Amino acid sequence: DVKVTQSSRYLVKRTGEKVFLECVQDMDHENMFWYRQDPGLGLRLIYFSYDVKMKEKGDIPEGYSVSREKKERFSLILESASTNQTSMYLCATNNRGSSYEQYFGPGTRLTVT
Amino acid sequence: SQQGEEDPQALSIQEGENATMNCSYKTSINNLQWYRQNSGRGLVHLILIRSNEREKHSGRLRVTLDTSKKSSSLLITASRAADTASYFCATDDGTGGYNKLIFGAGTRLAVHP
Repeated sequence: DVKVTQSSRYLVKRTGEKVFLECVQDMDHENMFWYRQDPGLGLRLIYFSYDVKMKEKGDIPEGYSVSREKKERFSLILESASTNQTSMYLCATNNRGSSYEQYFGPGTRLTVT
Repeated sequence: SQQGEEDPQALSIQEGENATMNCSYKTSINNLQWYRQNSGRGLVHLILIRSNEREKHSGRLRVTLDTSKKSSSLLITASRAADTASYFCATDDGTGGYNKLIFGAGTRLAVHP
């Protein structure tokens, strides 16, 4: 079974803090994705990575950065958290060139106060 | 950018009834997928239908795809309380690259015992 884990289920941070969200997968997948999910907006892609040290901006990259130093680990960084970044953050993975099916982690509900 | 749009936004039915959710999209696709999300959790892949397929079944799920109308439907037959969840359609971005998906806003299904 594919396992995608995220570092925290719930997180509360203050405005201006630097926030790290971590995602780890055990399936040797090349592609990893970070989404945020807000009511009525569905999932929006923040960043994705198709290989170690490689990254591409998604639809809403502003205010975020990412890091992928190892194949199994993909980190989302909020450089200076703001209240409008309060959201559910979902990590997903899939294998390049095969099925498009994505495997999701359980999500991190981040609240910025 | 949001590609898939689900209809209805919310659906409430009794156990044993069928539930039908629809999805429309805007651009050419290679495939369309449906995912389920239980409250506050990650998404789980349900079924994938390729652009050259018109109908696909998996257990109590039936998916249809009409590429001329750029629409798909998900039918859940003989629904159960455990089917209560949000359902999302997702399409590839048509470029074939990086296996990126574009998600709709979802349909919230409530199945009452």
